[in-house]
Amino acid sequence: GAGVSQSPRYKVAKRGQDVALRCDPISGHVSLFWYQQALGQGPEFLTYFQNEAQLDKSGLPSDRFFAERPEGSVSTLKIQRTQQEDSAVYLCASSSGPFSGANVLTFGAGSRLTVL
Amino acid sequence: GNSVTQMEGPVTLSEEAFLTINCTYTATGYPSLFWYVQYPGEGLQLLLKATKADDKGSNKGFEATYRKETTSFHLEKGSVQVSDSAVYFCAPAPGSARQLTFGSGTQLTVLP
Repeated sequence: GAGVSQSPRYKVAKRGQDVALRCDPISGHVSLFWYQQALGQGPEFLTYFQNEAQLDKSGLPSDRFFAERPEGSVSTLKIQRTQQEDSAVYLCASSSGPFSGANVLTFGAGSRLTVL
Repeated sequence: GNSVTQMEGPVTLSEEAFLTINCTYTATGYPSLFWYVQYPGEGLQLLLKATKADDKGSNKGFEATYRKETTSFHLEKGSVQVSDSAVYFCAPAPGSARQLTFGSGTQLTVLP
């Protein structure tokens, strides 16, 4: 597609529910990132995929967070047993090649998760 | 580790005023440096970048110069417009890591 598409744009979950957030990167983009952005803060790195391989998941805050990209295109971020502190905007970004310092990331509009 | 210190906001200016948003960073090696902008209701998008020392990135009247000696990448614009109202993020990208490190963001509001 023309840009990075994320769905749903807004999600309200009750504490303890599982949620799944979808990212559709730009077609052919090798690298895919997930970031978490709390209100009034900058994005914080969660995880990175190069094609279908999850090369870095050091930013995932707990084992309740899980991400996959099974065919090297669409990615899903799953959060199990949601907690109030999970409330944030979840951003997906992609870039055309393997990540290097000079690569430009294209971001989606984000999925805003509110946990009640 | 890598870190970014970005000028705190919010910043409110009148149209045609001069803008500076300070950014300093710590990183191993010589990272590429980026400014991303987030307009209301939109996703982050690249504003400008510089990949080596003394490079100047520029776009839409904004400029930033990669200063290795002061590890800074301050954003400037000579005459801001109402349409520049947004949140601005400084982000160094170490070449050896797979992560951008974002600053906390500076909210800019330009009044007509």
